[in-house]
Amino acid sequence: AQKVTQAQTEISVVEKEDVTLDCVYETRDTTYYLFWYKQPPSGELVFLIRRNSFDEQNEISGRYSWNFQKSTSSFNFTITASQVVDSAVYFCALSGMNSGYSTLTFGKGTMLLVSP
Amino acid sequence: DADVTQTPRNRITKTGKRIMLECSQTKGHDRMYWYRQDPGLGLRLIYYSFDVKDINKGEISDGYSVSRQAQAKFSLSLESAIPNQTALYFCATSDLQKGQGRTGELFFGEGSRLTVL
Repeated sequence: AQKVTQAQTEISVVEKEDVTLDCVYETRDTTYYLFWYKQPPSGELVFLIRRNSFDEQNEISGRYSWNFQKSTSSFNFTITASQVVDSAVYFCALSGMNSGYSTLTFGKGTMLLVSP
Repeated sequence: DADVTQTPRNRITKTGKRIMLECSQTKGHDRMYWYRQDPGLGLRLIYYSFDVKDINKGEISDGYSVSRQAQAKFSLSLESAIPNQTALYFCATSDLQKGQGRTGELFFGEGSRLTVL
């Protein structure tokens, strides 16, 4: 069985602070994909990143960066110099090879509140 | 226009009523899903379908049924709605990713907010 844990239910920061959202996963698959999605207050789900389990290189996209560490089964997401527009619920998710990548298992989400 | 369209976007109904949420997609994807979102619980899978002849239960299928009318259409029904089915419902699709095969990446509709009184 697969499991994704986002231990931080809610995080509050002040604008321009850096913030890291934690994601820890469990899977017996040797090959899998990890994802982050953003859900702004408007409610839609926005895809942020997909990472293959064989690719442990960190990724940076503007103010966003992702740290994938297989040794600790973690795929953490850092926002540098946070902005009010970053306020949203962020979901980490996993799909595994043994299930044919047929479904996505989501964490419960972390609500990020960025205040001016 | 959105690639994955859900109707209705908002619905308020009463306990015991039959409700159908519809989803249509123009992405040409073979796989379609229904997820439910509740505050603090993340997204949980209700049903999914790999083609029009294939329907699979997710982790919380009790109280729900689905119909895959065509490759592009996947509807979710609540035969007799109850208040704890009040939630935000998402339809999603997935397909082969160019150069990567299947990855499980989902493409979501905008959500249907259902309130059962």
